Amino acid sequence: EIVLAQSPGTLSLSPGERATLSCRASQSVSSNYLAWYQQKPGQAPRLLIYDASTRATGIPDRFSGSGSGTDFTLTISRLEAEDFAVYYCQQYVRSPNTFGQGTKLDI
Amino acid sequence: VHLVQSGAELKKPGASVRVSCKASGYTFTGYYMHWIRQAPGQGLEWMGCMSPKSGATDYALRFRGRVSMTSDTSVSTVYMELSSLQSDDTAVYYCARGGGPYSSANTWGQGTLVTVSS
Repeated sequence: EIVLAQSPGTLSLSPGERATLSCRASQSVSSNYLAWYQQKPGQAPRLLIYDASTRATGIPDRFSGSGSGTDFTLTISRLEAEDFAVYYCQQYVRSPNTFGQGTKLDI
Repeated sequence: VHLVQSGAELKKPGASVRVSCKASGYTFTGYYMHWIRQAPGQGLEWMGCMSPKSGATDYALRFRGRVSMTSDTSVSTVYMELSSLQSDDTAVYYCARGGGPYSSANTWGQGTLVTVSS
């Protein structure tokens, strides 16, 4: 199975700053079949980005995804208070559809 | 588009649990349904998926033989049954709609807490 390693485990930033989250795959994720989700306490995850760089419906343009092969990045250009949450990457190129362990974005 | 899951469950070790996920707002047979679980304070774990149209399933290796995903198209509902429960199966179980077996999930249910305890 494809293992996804996210870094850092925790990222402490302030509103208005730029956040860069990394997701590294143990094998190439072909067709860029990689997604990013945001999860807040007590809530279900929300899809932010799919196919590595396409924003899901209703997602603000301060969220952007990039990368290919084994290295992917989620960037939040100007953090807002509502962005502090846990972020997961997921590959869906091959079964099982694995998730990274998550990055917690802290104030 | 909405996915509404059944309520919380408390089960004893060795028992089985069935969680339902009722879909609305879209063509039920046009999308796959994935099941993902999250143990307390932990990350997300993909369990498998199914096609309500064909009945085809794909289960993660660690759950094969213990999980069953089925659907009832007459009520637009998907079911996930997990047997031989142990304490480490205590988790929130989510259903999530995907475009296929290999897809992201753009709509999620609210989650169902399954607690396994003697």
